Amino acid sequence: EPEVTQTPSHQVTQMGQEVILRCVPISNHLYFYWYRQILGQKVEFLVSFYNNEISEKSEIFDDQFSVERPDGSNFTLKIRSTKLEDSAMYFCASSEALLGARDRFFGQGTRLTVV
Amino acid sequence: QQPVQSPQAVILREGEDAVINCSSSKALYSVHWYRQKHGEAPVFLMILLKGGEQKGHEKISASFNEKKQQSSLYLTASQLSYSGTYFCGTEWGDDKIIFGKGTRLHILP
Repeated sequence: EPEVTQTPSHQVTQMGQEVILRCVPISNHLYFYWYRQILGQKVEFLVSFYNNEISEKSEIFDDQFSVERPDGSNFTLKIRSTKLEDSAMYFCASSEALLGARDRFFGQGTRLTVV
Repeated sequence: QQPVQSPQAVILREGEDAVINCSSSKALYSVHWYRQKHGEAPVFLMILLKGGEQKGHEKISASFNEKKQQSSLYLTASQLSYSGTYFCGTEWGDDKIIFGKGTRLHILP
């Protein structure tokens, strides 16, 4: 069964450092998403991406965040200068373009720990 | 804008039924239901589109009342594997799902 894969599974980084989280969405999907989940809390929408541009973003997705689809298969989330409060699980998801079938398939997540 | 889920947590014995509710203050385009086990990614259960449809998946079904702007998830004859946190996600015709805070379901043998 096709799946969304994320790497790494766990990353520890020093405050102020840049991190890049990587995702390989399901190959025929056209919509891509990043969500984050702080430990014990709900899943929060960060950004959606379609046709090589951001289609929606939340208030959380400020100037320190950026997304890219550099090579047609990877979908990356970059955090420029990490803060302690960026520590969370980051989930990538993808979905088909068909209306009514836009269920999101989630990856297993990257646990980001900022120290 | 965040949907409101109730109850916050449920403890059941295996074989009992549960209902989890999700309501919105705005008219909905669709409702998504996910289950998340501790330390794992959310797993998609089902999506319901406006039109008041019901859907089922084994012993888990859901309804969507467009008029009341709410959806309910029904778990019948619960199994141990149903334990986890259930999230509803609401969509208003744009390209993002906003999740509720989740309902923790714990099934006792």
